[in-house]
Amino acid sequence: EPEVTQTPSHQVTQMGQEVILRCVPISNHLYFYWYRQILGQKVEFLVSFYNNEISEKSEIFDDQFSVERPDGSNFTLKIRSTKLEDSAMYFCASSESGVINEQFFGPGTRLTVL
Amino acid sequence: ELKVEQNPLFLSMQEGKNYTIYCNYSTTSDRLYWYRQDPGKSLESLFVLLSNGAVKQEGRLMASLDTKARLSTLHITAAVHDLSATYFCAVDIGETSGSRLTFGEGTQLTVNP
Repeated sequence: EPEVTQTPSHQVTQMGQEVILRCVPISNHLYFYWYRQILGQKVEFLVSFYNNEISEKSEIFDDQFSVERPDGSNFTLKIRSTKLEDSAMYFCASSESGVINEQFFGPGTRLTVL
Repeated sequence: ELKVEQNPLFLSMQEGKNYTIYCNYSTTSDRLYWYRQDPGKSLESLFVLLSNGAVKQEGRLMASLDTKARLSTLHITAAVHDLSATYFCAVDIGETSGSRLTFGEGTQLTVNP
């Protein structure tokens, strides 16, 4: 069964460093998303992406964040200058249909900022 | 701003018992999703509810949606230990395709033998 994959599974970085989280969405899906979950808290939306551009972003997704689809398979989230409060689990998701919008989530990348 | 509230947040139940988790949301929507998350794992899609009165069942779980009451329920029948997990509801109120999902806080379910 097709699934969303993410790398790395765990990333440790120093405050102020740049990180890139990588995702490979399900191949026939057209809509891509990033969410994050701070430990013990609910899942929060960051950004959605469709047709090679951002379609929606939350207030969390400030100028320190960017997304890119550098080729036909990868979808990346970049955090330019990490802060301690960026420590969280980051989930990539994709959906085939924007109408039904059933989003399938990857296994997540645990980001730890020291 | 859309608010999605689940209750209870913590649920400890015995095997074989029935229980219901409630998901209330504050803004009109006819698209609601239920996910399961095991500790340290990702979110697994359980149910997609896309209209008023929608009811879906899978094994011991049944989900329903009442858009007029802005309420969804996840009913657990004859619970077994394997159902222990955190369950999230999520709502889509977007007017365009591929909108964000807004999640509830999650209900942590523990099924005891």
